[in-house]
Amino acid sequence: SQQGEEDPQALSIQEGENATMNCSYKTSINNLQWYRQNSGRGLVHLILIRSNEREKHSGRLRVTLDTSKKSSSLLITASRAADTASYFCASGGEQAGTALIFGKGTTLSVSS
Amino acid sequence: EPEVTQTPSHQVTQMGQEVILRCVPISNHLYFYWYRQILGQKVEFLVSFYNNEISEKSEIFDDQFSVERPDGSNFTLKIRSTKLEDSAMYFCASSFSGWGTEAFFGQGTRLTVV
Repeated sequence: SQQGEEDPQALSIQEGENATMNCSYKTSINNLQWYRQNSGRGLVHLILIRSNEREKHSGRLRVTLDTSKKSSSLLITASRAADTASYFCASGGEQAGTALIFGKGTTLSVSS
Repeated sequence: EPEVTQTPSHQVTQMGQEVILRCVPISNHLYFYWYRQILGQKVEFLVSFYNNEISEKSEIFDDQFSVERPDGSNFTLKIRSTKLEDSAMYFCASSFSGWGTEAFFGQGTRLTVV
């Protein structure tokens, strides 16, 4: 299985602080994606990083990928209360058409 | 902005009944997926569909499940004889190439089996 696994499982921070979530996966990937899920809602795509990339930025998000360690991290800078959600990494396999495999997620709580 | 739509948003059914969950993927997407999420747990892959056939399925997707693209716009998941443990949020997703591109998810259908 190429499951991604996140840590920590839960993270509580104050507004303005940075939040870092980590993800590990088991097999070779084509890409790794991060998704956000507000409570009881659908999954929203945040960012995709390909296996030949090491770092990617999108607004307040910074993602890194270390294929030698089969790990990725998501950094949210200057967090806001609205960032409160669950964050999932999802690994995309090397073969065309393979589905994303999700990790267990990190629940982020940002208090004001 | 194009989006994946799912209906119904919530369905309650009795154990043993058949349910059909419906999805309208984004119109120019070619790959379609169903995932499920049992309350408080991880998002689990069920099945992917491309070119009018299943391209990949997980161990969860056993004989009680089936998918269909009955016309050019809908994508359905049928559960033939529901069990209590089928209670979950079911998400439909679509992507353009299915590989190396983002998947767009619907808001989900909450299935409650009683």
